[in-house]
Amino acid sequence: GAVVSQHPSWVICKSGTSVKIECRSLDFQATTMFWYRQFPKQSLMLMATSNEGSKATYEQGVEKDKFLINHASLTLSTLTVTSAHPEDSSFYICSAKRGGTSTDTQYFGPGTRLTVL
Amino acid sequence: KNEVEQSPQNLTAQEGEFITINCSYSVGISALHWLQQHPGGGIVSLFMLSSGKKKHGRLIATINIQEKHSSLHITASHPRDSAVYICAYTGNQFYFGTGTSLTVIP
Repeated sequence: GAVVSQHPSWVICKSGTSVKIECRSLDFQATTMFWYRQFPKQSLMLMATSNEGSKATYEQGVEKDKFLINHASLTLSTLTVTSAHPEDSSFYICSAKRGGTSTDTQYFGPGTRLTVL
Repeated sequence: KNEVEQSPQNLTAQEGEFITINCSYSVGISALHWLQQHPGGGIVSLFMLSSGKKKHGRLIATINIQEKHSSLHITASHPRDSAVYICAYTGNQFYFGTGTSLTVIP
């Protein structure tokens, strides 16, 4: 089946530093990738939708200058948390969609746990 | 307001029990997904349903499009089934339910 990887799986950083998280579709080309964050005991919250070669579409309330998304190729999207603060500590998950219709399956990455000290 | 409601929110069962998790949604959809999130956080897609019923091993998912309702059943539950089960529907993105946290006790 389709595989999506994320790197790193966990990261601890100091407040004020920037952290880059990679999302790769390993055996298919992803026309669209999604970035989610999840706080403990809560559901996933969509942050942004990323289409290859175009600017990401951010959900309301998500700061695009703080959460930089680059979808450089059909197999790679990156999320950079700039000037991270403790409140950015969360579980970040990407998913990748193959194809172009709304019913196409999304494949989830394993997630990246970010802890900002 | 979450347009996808799940029940129960938390569920504890003895090993071997038959488990049912329910999902109701309020909009017309073309497909509903059941996802499993393990304690480590990784998410696995269990089923995508447009109608009727699907079975995979001990897992069975059903959907009634007219009633906007879906159920996930686990037969002969096992401690390794302990996870959060999430139903979601897709438009241009996923719309997630709040999840059901299942704990199966040996």
